[in-house]
Amino acid sequence: SYELTQPPSVSVSPGQTARITCSGDALPKEYAYWYQQKPGQAPVVVIYKDSERPSGIPERFSGSSSGTTVTLTISGVQAEDEADYYCQSVDSSDSSGTYGVFGGGTKLTVL
Amino acid sequence: EVQLVQSGAEVKDPEKSLKISCKGSGYSFTSYWIGWVRQMPGRGLEWMGIIYPGDSDTRYSPSFQGQVTISVDKSISTAYLQWSSLKASDTAMYYCARHVYGGVPTAMYMDVWGKGTTVTVSS
Repeated sequence: SYELTQPPSVSVSPGQTARITCSGDALPKEYAYWYQQKPGQAPVVVIYKDSERPSGIPERFSGSSSGTTVTLTISGVQAEDEADYYCQSVDSSDSSGTYGVFGGGTKLTVL
Repeated sequence: EVQLVQSGAEVKDPEKSLKISCKGSGYSFTSYWIGWVRQMPGRGLEWMGIIYPGDSDTRYSPSFQGQVTISVDKSISTAYLQWSSLKASDTAMYYCARHVYGGVPTAMYMDVWGKGTTVTVSS
């Protein structure tokens, strides 16, 4: 089955830039999405279609894509950004349909 | 306001059946796919499957095919996730989420989420 690979953890100091990567063989031809999940809360989409930011998401969140790796960048990290971050894409390799797939998640710690 | 309201927490014995619900409001329920995501305790998100309320077209992740059933009652804007025989390994938080799905290349992502339903299976 298709897998998306993320680092388990990333740590940064406030005001620095955090970069969280997600790797998958199909990412050159499929969009990637990023979700933020804080403890006890439902996930929230912060980036869609590789680099688009939904309304209400701070400008410090951005996304990029290069080959089989997509990156979520948080510039000027704030304490409130401490959360788990998940990438998501689709698996369209099965002839019976298209399925969603999540990466394993990355815990962002703000030191 | 667009929202998804999920049913309350459940505690069930193994081998029992269960059906949890997710009611949409504030948007055209039949125009968006709606699906379910599992999160086991202390673990990551797992995409389970989706249904299109307009025609009940349903897609399942291979990991969940045959394990659960996703259904919908569009007359009351409600989607369901059900089990016929629960196992302890079904203990998890289950989120419903509205999906944006379609286009070329295929876009599929979750733009609105419910607050989750906790399911605990234990004897």
